[in-house]
Amino acid sequence: SAVISQKPSRDICQRGTSLTIQCQVDSQVTMMFWYRQQPGQSLTLIATANQGSEATYESGFVIDKFPISRPNLTFSTLTVSNMSPEDSSIYLCSVEPGTFGSGTRLTVV
Amino acid sequence: GENVEQHPSTLSVQEGDSAVIKCTYSDSASNYFPWYKQELGKGPQLIIDIRSNVGEKKDQRIAVTLNKTAKHFSLHITETQPEDSAVYFCAAYAGGTSYGKLTFGQGTILTVHP
Repeated sequence: SAVISQKPSRDICQRGTSLTIQCQVDSQVTMMFWYRQQPGQSLTLIATANQGSEATYESGFVIDKFPISRPNLTFSTLTVSNMSPEDSSIYLCSVEPGTFGSGTRLTVV
Repeated sequence: GENVEQHPSTLSVQEGDSAVIKCTYSDSASNYFPWYKQELGKGPQLIIDIRSNVGEKKDQRIAVTLNKTAKHFSLHITETQPEDSAVYFCAAYAGGTSYGKLTFGQGTILTVHP
């Protein structure tokens, strides 16, 4: 199965700022997925990222808040924009068939 | 959309006992059901999965069963060990064209006491 590297592994950010999370896969994949795991909660899909097209967002998530790039078949970024403490979560990158990176633990203060 | 319910939310067992975690799903079109183990500070790790054309799958001490008619599936861990302590999530393939788009259950905190 694919190996996924995520950066940063954790960060503490000031409210109102933005953070870009990087996801690198060791093989070419068609789709990449971004999930959020709020403290003590399960995982929720934010969006699906296809190379060469706009990401598809799930209900409750919008592009202005979570812009995604997918410049090639092995890389994607997720930006968490204009952060508030409610954005404190673990953000996870995934590729099919359900392989996850180790996640980015974000704390907004 | 798909909805996945997972029970129990916490499970405490003695080392050597068996542990069973159950999930139900709502979308009869779902056809892929993975289970994940998440240890503190780490991402979810796929431990076993099952597809809808199979009723049971085993991998050493871990087994998963699927009842398509009742729309539920279960994780069975036998001869539990302290290192099995973690949060376990079930998931179901929510639709579309990729197995990557998953709906997760709420998670079960499993504690195995030595």
